[in-house]
Amino acid sequence: DIQMTQSPSSLSASIGDRVTITCRASQRISTYLNWYQQSPGRAPKLLIYTASSLQGGVPSRFSGSGSGTDFNLTISSLQPEDSATYYCQQSFSTLWTFGQGTKVEIK
Amino acid sequence: QVQLVESGGGVVQPGKSLRLSCVASGFTFSSYAMFWVRQAPDKGLEWVAVITSDGSTTYYADSLEGRFSISRDNSKNTLFLQMNSLRTDDTAVYYCAREFAVTNDALDSWGQGTLVTVSS
Repeated sequence: DIQMTQSPSSLSASIGDRVTITCRASQRISTYLNWYQQSPGRAPKLLIYTASSLQGGVPSRFSGSGSGTDFNLTISSLQPEDSATYYCQQSFSTLWTFGQGTKVEIK
Repeated sequence: QVQLVESGGGVVQPGKSLRLSCVASGFTFSSYAMFWVRQAPDKGLEWVAVITSDGSTTYYADSLEGRFSISRDNSKNTLFLQMNSLRTDDTAVYYCAREFAVTNDALDSWGQGTLVTVSS
């Protein structure tokens, strides 16, 4: 299986801060990388697909980048509603895998 | 709008079986691959299984060791997950999810989840 490793596991930032979450794959996966947001008690929500494409309805402060093994999710100006856990997910292999998640808290 | 509603969760003893269902509405169910994803309490997401739109092909996470089976009834817009030989580490919220039609490589709609608790 392809292992996905996110860093950091958690972070705390202030409203308006720029926040970056990293996801590293155990092998090259081209741009077969998606990002999800999960608020407490809710189902996950697709934010970014194929590494850098913004899903419809997602605020433009969210962006994704990367290819190969290293990927980033960036929130350009953190908002209160962005308090959530973020997961990367690879779809390069038939058996998809998720990262362990990054919990974003507001200071 | 797209809606996915899971059911069938509950408390079950180790070694027993359980069958989950997911009823879909708001889209042409028979045109989409469907997935199960689970989340143990206070843990991350784990991809469980996928079934193609026509039900002809399925794939499973290695961790399941052949104990689970995904199926679908396109005439009833329903997805299933048969879970056998349940273990305590199968305790989780189980979500059904739809493939993202733009790339077929993501999940763009999710149900609210159904909780399965495996305990004696």
